[in-house]
Amino acid sequence: QKEVEQDPGPLSVPEGAIVSLNCTYSNSAFQYFMWYRQYSRKGPELLMYTYSSGNKEDGRFTAQVDKSSKYISLFIRDSQPSDSATYLCAMKADNYGQNFVFGPGTRLSVLP
Amino acid sequence: DGGITQSPKYLFRKEGQNVTLSCEQNLNHDAMYWYRQDPGQGLRLIYYSQIVNDFQKGDIAEGYSVSREKKESFPLTVTSAQKNPTAFYLCASSRREGLNWQFFGPGTRLTVL
Repeated sequence: QKEVEQDPGPLSVPEGAIVSLNCTYSNSAFQYFMWYRQYSRKGPELLMYTYSSGNKEDGRFTAQVDKSSKYISLFIRDSQPSDSATYLCAMKADNYGQNFVFGPGTRLSVLP
Repeated sequence: DGGITQSPKYLFRKEGQNVTLSCEQNLNHDAMYWYRQDPGQGLRLIYYSQIVNDFQKGDIAEGYSVSREKKESFPLTVTSAQKNPTAFYLCASSRREGLNWQFFGPGTRLTVL
């Protein structure tokens, strides 16, 4: 079993839809969770950073962490064609460690 | 404007040649990283460095080498010993403590001919 699993997609939705992207993980020590967006042939850019369980909202984006289920989600409201990208989840166990573990990414297409 | 730069954007190499990928950051970050990205796989860590003149092997260090002589710079050499070097290479940096998510560079696409 991989340490972090993510449905690779592609996921296609119409413009304006609510998108749900998910990751599951096996290591219960993970406490810090990140979502990155990566456009084709570009470097990933950080969208959300959360610690432990709960929700965090930033504009159209909401990150949820459920540590009891080892499950994290990213919701995108009112999706736009410019949201079309690959979304990577990442996580790590401690604040000082450099051991970031990434999911393989989900490719999202938002159709106009 | 703070950020990370990688050069070149595209690189072609003949088999048997060593090539060096450049990574520079002006974010005053202590930690720097090199990842390899292949289609359908997550980012795989090649090397990381938490401080100048010190670096650690990641999960797939074989066939690669790095140096960290300056805080701002972390070049990666892909040697001829790397069996399958064609990939997208990403450099990242982060603070060493506190909220330390990674900032990524734009990447270098290496193709072996």
